[in-house]
Amino acid sequence: AQRVTQPEKLLSVFKGAPVELKCNYSYSGSPELFWYVQYSRQRLQLLLRHISRESIKGFTADLNKGETSFHLKKPFAQEEDSAMYYCALTGTASKLTFGTGTRLQVTL
Amino acid sequence: DAGVIQSPRHEVTEMGQEVTLRCKPISGHNSLFWYRQTMMRGLELLIYFNNNVPIDDSGMPEDRFSAKMPNASFSTLKIQPSEPRDSAVYFCASSLEGIQYFGAGTRLSVL
Repeated sequence: AQRVTQPEKLLSVFKGAPVELKCNYSYSGSPELFWYVQYSRQRLQLLLRHISRESIKGFTADLNKGETSFHLKKPFAQEEDSAMYYCALTGTASKLTFGTGTRLQVTL
Repeated sequence: DAGVIQSPRHEVTEMGQEVTLRCKPISGHNSLFWYRQTMMRGLELLIYFNNNVPIDDSGMPEDRFSAKMPNASFSTLKIQPSEPRDSAVYFCASSLEGIQYFGAGTRLSVL
């Protein structure tokens, strides 16, 4: 079975502060991990995937197989980063399993 | 490309009525997914199709829910009869090469 855990429902940080959104997963094989983001009044969209090893909008995420984690990080939070963030996993099948999401709130 | 198109955007209905949600995936995508989003349970996969064939419907909550994909460009999710606890946002997504693209969702309110 595949499972994704996002322990924080809400993360509130000040503008300019570092951000880390936690994600842990459970999967017996080699998973592919994603972060999706949903800005206010917009549709859910892909932020980044671990195989790309990219930095998108200043965000990065490293897959740590030993700790089964895929935390999302950004060194300096911006107001426009306020959104709902979902960590997701896919295994051998096409289906994505999502975590319950973390709402990031960036305040001045 | 307009992306994944869902209709209606909002639906308000009374308990016991039939509700049909519609989805047009992105052309060329061979997988389609239906999700339900609630505050309590987050995003839940209801069912997904590969090449118009249902692959996994284990997330469909009850027999009241059914989904079809008669062709590569159209899918429906039907709830009959609807109940207040079905109130949620229903998302459709299509995928290509492992990346899912979501529609804007249908916000369903069952009174």
